[in-house]
Amino acid sequence: GEDVEQSLFLSVREGDSSVINCTYTDSSSTYLYWYKQEPGAGLQLLTYIFSNMDMKQDQRLTVLLNKKDKHLSLRIADTQTGDSAIYFCAESINDYKLSFGAGTTVTVRA
Amino acid sequence: DTAVSQTPKYLVTQMGNDKSIKCEQNLGHDTMYWYKQDSKKFLKIMFSYNNKELIINETVPNRFSPKSPDKAHLNLHINSLELGDSAVYFCASSQDPQGAGETQYFGPGTRLLVL
Repeated sequence: GEDVEQSLFLSVREGDSSVINCTYTDSSSTYLYWYKQEPGAGLQLLTYIFSNMDMKQDQRLTVLLNKKDKHLSLRIADTQTGDSAIYFCAESINDYKLSFGAGTTVTVRA
Repeated sequence: DTAVSQTPKYLVTQMGNDKSIKCEQNLGHDTMYWYKQDSKKFLKIMFSYNNKELIINETVPNRFSPKSPDKAHLNLHINSLELGDSAVYFCASSQDPQGAGETQYFGPGTRLLVL
């Protein structure tokens, strides 16, 4: 989306860490989200972070938020082949609207 | 058991036809959404309904008409289909408005191809 930007592709070796970056424009966004879309499937919420937090960790996932730079990142530790998917960053524009990035296609190679 | 379901999963039709996509959620949510994902995977919201009332209409052509007969259903009717309507359409739902940090649950998508 025009408000959220992500790099389009990321290739990572199995077992390495993946870092997916995202920038957003709406400084009033209350929540920021990471969604995962596997081939042929709908979007699945991975994690979200409240705007007054800097970091959130959930098992292999670490979300970092730099509110000053409007930068959000998702780190996946020990990347597995099942992590191959498209990852979407999204910001809450208002109570009823999410604005999504174009998605980062993550390919995990053996 | 499916939380958000859509029918049909695939839809191939001729230009100019009228078609409908159905969405149902069994989560008891109050808010439902329709998104369009184009060939470049760009995902954009089309409509949002809360308790059967239209909340968001994101400059979608009036050939697209959502209908919510009850809180559990949000159907999408498309008149006079055009080639540019070819995309994947996702339905989603959430308990409360997104600003409360509520998760949106997505359906599996309907792949529409207009010939």
